Amino acid sequence: AQKVTQAQTEISVVEKEDVTLDCVYETRDTTYYLFWYKQPPSGELVFLIRRNSFDEQNEISGRYSWNFQKSTSSFNFTITASQVVDSAVYFCALSEYTGNQFYFGTGTSLTVIP
Amino acid sequence: GAGVSQTPSNKVTEKGKYVELRCDPISGHTALYWYRQSLGQGPEFLIYFQGTGAADDSGLPNDRFFAVRPEGSVSTLKIQRTERGDSAVYLCASSSGLAGGDTQYFGPGTRLTVL
Repeated sequence: AQKVTQAQTEISVVEKEDVTLDCVYETRDTTYYLFWYKQPPSGELVFLIRRNSFDEQNEISGRYSWNFQKSTSSFNFTITASQVVDSAVYFCALSEYTGNQFYFGTGTSLTVIP
Repeated sequence: GAGVSQTPSNKVTEKGKYVELRCDPISGHTALYWYRQSLGQGPEFLIYFQGTGAADDSGLPNDRFFAVRPEGSVSTLKIQRTERGDSAVYLCASSSGLAGGDTQYFGPGTRLTVL
């Protein structure tokens, strides 16, 4: 069974619009870690955020914010006032306490139109 | 400081040939990971090293794939008798290895094309 689901394959928004990327995960571990990475056209995965399962506080970093809800097993990512430079593929990933590998979703390709 | 580096950036080979892909992790990182990313997919785990030993190789697809990390730093992923289905981007990542759920920092990848 897929451990991380990113149901949105592609999203297009006009510059300055807000956009939310969805991530739903599945795990039996009570301790786990969630991540978001950005993969621009250059191909390198860029780390954005790490969150552990015991910290459900929402986090904001500049135009980026993350909403973690254990009740719905979701870890959604919102970009406020999107910019063309935000165009990339975004991946959500899960790491379980009982293992070391990351389980990645299939990614959401975001295009910001100027 | 320097990030994770991978060489070559691109590799084109013929079916049946042997290839080696190299990864140089962030200095001081004891944990090293290999992933494979096919077009339109997320990275898929291949193998994890803690120091010199392969702590988890459950993601290696078959015995044509092998990886080493003899001195606990640089790692080489080796693929024997390559097949067209091996074509993908091979990503390496490293982490401090100090705690579970460490952030993994990724290299730029090696794009392997098997003709």
